[in-house]
Amino acid sequence: AQSVTQLGSHVSVSEGALVLLRCNYSSSVPPYLFWYVQYPNQGLQLLLKYTSAATLVKGINGFEAEFKKSETSFHLTKPSAHMSDAAEYFCAVIQAAGNKLTFGGGTRVLVKP
Amino acid sequence: DTGVSQDPRHKITKRGQNVTFRCDPISEHNRLYWYRQTLGQGPEFLTYFQNEAQLEKSRLLSDRFSAERPKGSFSTLEIQRTEQGDSAMYLCASSLVWGVRTQYFGPGTRLLVL
Repeated sequence: AQSVTQLGSHVSVSEGALVLLRCNYSSSVPPYLFWYVQYPNQGLQLLLKYTSAATLVKGINGFEAEFKKSETSFHLTKPSAHMSDAAEYFCAVIQAAGNKLTFGGGTRVLVKP
Repeated sequence: DTGVSQDPRHKITKRGQNVTFRCDPISEHNRLYWYRQTLGQGPEFLTYFQNEAQLEKSRLLSDRFSAERPKGSFSTLEIQRTEQGDSAMYLCASSLVWGVRTQYFGPGTRLLVL
């Protein structure tokens, strides 16, 4: 069975500072990996995805993530936080032949002015 | 291209009542998924359809829950005899059937059972 662990349920950053959200997965075979963002009372919006091509993936809103197979990680970063980045972020995994996403518990980001 | 839509966005009901939610997927997507998200948690898979066929159901989908996709387009999720534990956000997603099958989510229906 696959699982996803997001370290830190809450992260507080200052506006303009680096945002780093951690995601580790367990899977018997290399999966596809996704980061989604959820704003209050809204659905999930796709930020970026890893599908076994380039290990450094660029997404929307200046976010990027790096797939590291040796560390079974897919951490999300943004060089400079903006107030609009305040939201909850979910890492998710799916097997290449799978049908359902398995999500981590989420990390809520607070951006301080 | 319109995204996934869900209706209603919010539903308040009394314990024991039945509720039905609707999801309209992205038009060219063959697959449709339902997830449930409780406060402070990540979404959990409930079920998915490929066209009109329901191909997988989670153990979370008790016998009080039923989902349909009668014509392979929109889907409905019905909860019978609601319980307070059913209070959650119900999310719908859709995807193509080939390739990476990236799932795109709707805005969700938030259910509160009193």
